Amino acid sequence: DTEVTQTPKHLVMGMTNKKSLKCEQHMGHRAMYWYKQKAKKPPELMFVYSYEKLSINESVPSRFSPECPNSSLLNLHLHALQPEDSALYLCASSQVRQGAPLYFGPGTRLTVT
Amino acid sequence: AQSVTQLDSHVSVSEGTPVLLRCNYSSSYSPSLFWYVQHPNKGLQLLLKYTSAATLVKGINGFEAEFKKSETSFHLTKPSAHMSDAAEYFCVVSAPNNAGNMLTFGGGTRLMVKP
Repeated sequence: DTEVTQTPKHLVMGMTNKKSLKCEQHMGHRAMYWYKQKAKKPPELMFVYSYEKLSINESVPSRFSPECPNSSLLNLHLHALQPEDSALYLCASSQVRQGAPLYFGPGTRLTVT
Repeated sequence: AQSVTQLDSHVSVSEGTPVLLRCNYSSSYSPSLFWYVQHPNKGLQLLLKYTSAATLVKGINGFEAEFKKSETSFHLTKPSAHMSDAAEYFCVVSAPNNAGNMLTFGGGTRLMVKP
């Protein structure tokens, strides 16, 4: 099973709302990732968790707050977002070894109004 | 440091004709290379991967890629295009990192398939 699931598929939120994106994998992977993808662009890395610890934060604004409750789950908490944060948010997972591919979820399409 | 250049932002082929998507990379390490495909409003699906074994790599859906170190290339090919191949394709190089695998993406190539 190489499936990464993400919920919700679509999310519309106002600039004062608080919402969360969820990601789950059952492949036993110990690295999990959040990416942001704008239209017609490649994905941009936001965060990396390795063994449930935040290991990389690519200078992401604090209105995005990641959380890794256990080795299978990854959340992204959203608060006070801006319209320019509208994008496809992709979760991925991989083994923690050189050359291991990332497996991506289907993404959450976020619109900030 | 590493980088990936996809030489064509758009490629258009007729159904049943060969596909060639070009990718050149630069890496300080012995690279791991991947091709991913993304259909509209979908996530990225792994097509194939090169990790220093055979230089000709076979992937899903009839795609294959050849690693050429002397040319620093990793071009993606398919003998006969199908309508369902129309999508965005990303060439990706991976750098080792204790925190996980850090991917560098090419800019993407949009493949269009004409009936």
